[in-house]
Amino acid sequence: SQTIHQWPATLVQPVGSPLSLECTVEGTSNPNLYWYRQAAGRGLQLLFYSIGIDQISSEVPQNLSASRPQDRQFILSSKKLLLSDSGFYLCAWSVTRGQNDNEKLFFGSGTQLSVL
Amino acid sequence: KQEVTQIPAALSVPEGENLVLNCSFTDSAIYNLQWFRQDPGKGLTSLLLIQSSQREQTSGRLNASLDKSSGRSTLYIAASQPGDSAIYLCAGGGGWGKLQFGAGTQVVVTP
Repeated sequence: SQTIHQWPATLVQPVGSPLSLECTVEGTSNPNLYWYRQAAGRGLQLLFYSIGIDQISSEVPQNLSASRPQDRQFILSSKKLLLSDSGFYLCAWSVTRGQNDNEKLFFGSGTQLSVL
Repeated sequence: KQEVTQIPAALSVPEGENLVLNCSFTDSAIYNLQWFRQDPGKGLTSLLLIQSSQREQTSGRLNASLDKSSGRSTLYIAASQPGDSAIYLCAGGGGWGKLQFGAGTQVVVTP
């Protein structure tokens, strides 16, 4: 069966410090991978999605970047965190079906990031 | 740009009552409509996915309908239980698995 791992669960970082959140998927090949953010009092916002190794699309301008160095590994990074980067970050995957994707998304357990 | 709205924002019902959660979307050109459950501080659990060509999906006590012409989806939960307490999110699929989420409905089922 497929599983998704996301870590750390909680992170407190000072403003201006770097960030690296990691997500890995097991039990499937060539998944679509996604990073979402849930800010306090707001809905989930898609940050990045990837349909393959080194193929990353950014959905919103921001202080963050994403990389996919391996098929089932997705990394969210920042060189210098801002206060506004605080939020709940969720990684997700789905089976690749192209543009007409009708597959469910499966989410990791999330990382609560507090930038102070 | 797709906008998804969920009403009400919060809902409290006694155990045993049926729950009705509403979701509306502005762009009817969606590939699918998905419903998720989120427990406090946790990730999302997929409940139901309705493809754009379908009208409804059922799983156990859950039933979700989709009316693309009116831009609406409704999630029905029959005979609610305290364990159904959670945030329920709907999301419209925009292709490539990308989802546009609503802000969610906070549900509390009291024993």
